[in-house]
Amino acid sequence: GAGVSQSPSNKVTEKGKDVELRCDPISGHTALYWYRQSLGQGLEFLIYFQGNSAPDKSGLPSDRFSAERTGGSVSTLTIQRTQQEDSAVYLCASSLVTGPNGYTFGSGTRLTVV
Amino acid sequence: AQKVTQAQTEISVVEKEDVTLDCVYETRDTTYYLFWYKQPPSGELVFLIRRNSFDEQNEISGRYSWNFQKSTSSFNFTITASQVVDSAVYFCALINQGGKLIFGQGTELSVKP
Repeated sequence: GAGVSQSPSNKVTEKGKDVELRCDPISGHTALYWYRQSLGQGLEFLIYFQGNSAPDKSGLPSDRFSAERTGGSVSTLTIQRTQQEDSAVYLCASSLVTGPNGYTFGSGTRLTVV
Repeated sequence: AQKVTQAQTEISVVEKEDVTLDCVYETRDTTYYLFWYKQPPSGELVFLIRRNSFDEQNEISGRYSWNFQKSTSSFNFTITASQVVDSAVYFCALINQGGKLIFGQGTELSVKP
């Protein structure tokens, strides 16, 4: 596609439920990144993919968070047993390769855990 | 360890004033890249500029200019003759060859008419 697409744009979920956030990167972009932005905060790195593999998962906050990427394209970030502190905007970005390229970001998914 | 510091949390100016957003970074790598992104109220991050560690030339693009100084590990961003549409949160970021983009905490710029 022309840009990075994320869905849903907004998600309200009850505490304890699982959620899945989806990211469609720009066609041909092999690198894909997930970031989290809490209200009024900077961007917190979560995980990145090169192709389907994830060389760096260091930013995932807990084992309730997982992500996968299939076919070198779409990625899904799953949060199990959501907690209120998981409420944030989850941003996805893609780039042609890992390294020193400008990332293109999606509009994000605003997750609210009630 | 890599780190990006944007000491200014919020800046408020009146339209047509010039404003400089500060960015200081830390890295042990000799090859790295610096970025500025703009995040308007709509929330989407907009790429503004990339600069590599070997190119210390300042850059000007319209009302925007960037001053990269390796000696002070700074990559400051100046908006000349600010406009209301410049109101946004601006992020400075750093990446090395490992590929992870590290962001500063952001500076919220408010330009009042």
